[in-house]
Amino acid sequence: SQTIHQWPATLVQPVGSPLSLECTVEGTSNPNLYWYRQAAGRGLQLLFYSVGIGQISSEVPQNLSASRPQDRQFILSSKKLLLSDSGFYLCAWQRGLGSYEQYFGPGTRLTVT
Amino acid sequence: QKEVEQNSGPLSVPEGAIASLNCTYSDRGSQSFFWYRQYSGKSPELIMFIYSNGDKEDGRFTAQLNKASQYVSLLIRDSQPSDSATYLCAVYLDRGSTLGRLYFGRGTQLTVWP
Repeated sequence: SQTIHQWPATLVQPVGSPLSLECTVEGTSNPNLYWYRQAAGRGLQLLFYSVGIGQISSEVPQNLSASRPQDRQFILSSKKLLLSDSGFYLCAWQRGLGSYEQYFGPGTRLTVT
Repeated sequence: QKEVEQNSGPLSVPEGAIASLNCTYSDRGSQSFFWYRQYSGKSPELIMFIYSNGDKEDGRFTAQLNKASQYVSLLIRDSQPSDSATYLCAVYLDRGSTLGRLYFGRGTQLTVWP
């Protein structure tokens, strides 16, 4: 069966500090991977998605970036955090062409102070 | 115009009742439809998906899709306090870009009281 991991689970960072969140998927090959952010009281916002190693598409311009160094690894980064970056960051995977269901990891709750 | 609209609620029903959650979508090209349950502080969990017009049943859950009316609903029969959560509606839409994507509604908060 497939499993998706995210770490860390919670993070408190000062404004202007860097960020690195990691997501890994087990039990599947060549998944589509997604990063979402859910701010307090708001809906899910798609940040990035990837169909393969090194292939990243961005949905919104911001101070975040993403990378996919390995097939089942997806990393979200920032060089300098803003207060507005606070939120619940969710990684999701999708099996690929012809399958549209997405499955979420446990999430990382980020508070920027 | 938002792609997916949900009544934010809160929706409150007594234990044992039927909870009815509704969702409308704007793009007739939407292909697949999903319901996620999100407990407070947790990540969304996929509970139902439906691709064709009509009803799809899974245990106490029934998803209903009406493409002509651009409407999808989730019925929860014999509601339990453990069903208290926010329910997110999502639709899959491919607009010819590299990858289709899911569009999420903002969720309906359901409370089931004993």
